[in-house]
Amino acid sequence: QSALTQPPSASGSPGQSVTISCTGTSSDVGGYNYVSWYQQHPDKAPKLMIYEVTKRPSGVPDRFSGSKSGNTASLTVTGLQAEDEADYYCSSSAGNNNLRVFGTGTKVTVL
Amino acid sequence: QVQLVESGGGLVKPGGSLRLSCAASGFRFSDYSMSWIRQAPGKGLEWISYISDASRRMSYADSVRGRFTVSRDDARNFLYLQLNSLRAEDTAVYYCATESYYRFDSWGQGTQVTVSS
Repeated sequence: QSALTQPPSASGSPGQSVTISCTGTSSDVGGYNYVSWYQQHPDKAPKLMIYEVTKRPSGVPDRFSGSKSGNTASLTVTGLQAEDEADYYCSSSAGNNNLRVFGTGTKVTVL
Repeated sequence: QVQLVESGGGLVKPGGSLRLSCAASGFRFSDYSMSWIRQAPGKGLEWISYISDASRRMSYADSVRGRFTVSRDDARNFLYLQLNSLRAEDTAVYYCATESYYRFDSWGQGTQVTVSS
């Protein structure tokens, strides 16, 4: 049960786009369309931003989008805003034993 | 609206035990699967346990299997996590969350567990 791999950091200027990758295996990311993404501001609980690879919960801006290719999922934030500066985590179903796994996390900085 | 409030955290010695609680309100608790997720200081999120509606299925991360036990009381709208044989590496903020199809929709504010002599 290894954590999914994310880059430690990503950055962009206001108005630009940033894409975060989440790499797993065929037993988790590649095997199921149950990848979700979470935003966490300092000392706050995480917030669901994307689920089932591409779907956005009500209230999440359409600047946030998700995709997947093979064993790698991605979160793209377009039109970066100051409030997007946060830590982002992916998660996935992880096999037939009813397990779940998170990514290592990516700190997004708005320059 | 959905509200989840964790409690029961604290300072405990290595080898000790704690029981965490998660009080749920604002939704039909019995219809929902739930998970516990933790975050060590300065570290990332770690999923540790799942329980389905009606307690039909439970699962655990390798790091806690055999030491932690998840349960629920649908009559009182409470989720629990019994933590036994605690280790220093169990020190973390513990969150409860509602779960649907492997997504964690709503989260509590977390409760701090510190394992130290």
